[in-house]
Amino acid sequence: AQTVTQSQPEMSVQEAETVTLSCTYDTSESDYYLFWYKQPPSRQMILVIRQEAYKQQNATENRFSVNFQKAAKSFSLKISDSQLGDAAMYFCAYRGLDTGTASKLTFGTGTRLQVTL
Amino acid sequence: GAVVSQHPSWVICKSGTSVKIECRSLDFQATTMFWYRQFPKQSLMLMATSNEGSKATYEQGVEKDKFLINHASLTLSTLTVTSAHPEDSSFYICSASGPGQGAYNEKLFFGSGTQLSVL
Repeated sequence: AQTVTQSQPEMSVQEAETVTLSCTYDTSESDYYLFWYKQPPSRQMILVIRQEAYKQQNATENRFSVNFQKAAKSFSLKISDSQLGDAAMYFCAYRGLDTGTASKLTFGTGTRLQVTL
Repeated sequence: GAVVSQHPSWVICKSGTSVKIECRSLDFQATTMFWYRQFPKQSLMLMATSNEGSKATYEQGVEKDKFLINHASLTLSTLTVTSAHPEDSSFYICSASGPGQGAYNEKLFFGSGTQLSVL
């Protein structure tokens, strides 16, 4: 079974600084998707960024980028120029492409990010 | 983008009663919907996968008789918590597979969640 591990329960960053959230996963599949989701206090799940495993290039979405290391099964999220609105719970998630796992998201335990002035 | 509407956003009920939560895809057809449960300060745990017109697939440890899932149309899935008890109090979130061209382009869209409190 696939597992997703986020080893940082809480992180703090000063406004305008950069922070990196860690995520590792375990899978025997060769093709899959990885995601970072943001859950603010409203608890609405918001997709931050997505990475296809078959792509070597790291995904980037404005201030958000990932460092995807397939061999190491590592998928970290870098937030640059942090803003107060970035404060939220961040979940790393895995989705396989095999028949039994397709479309099913497996979430990590989450990292609570605080942004300070 | 695609919108998933979840209703109600919160519900309080007495122990022993049943509660129905609806999940609708407003502007796309969702062939697959997922139901998650989230306890305070914890992650989302998948409860079941719902495909239109067929029986839901439940994750290990989830009681199918307690959590009834119906996916009668391509835009609506419902989760009914039967004979609810205080330990069923939780935040329930649905998500739906959005429009795309196969699994590689599918995206998942989330409802806004339902907070269930059982007294």
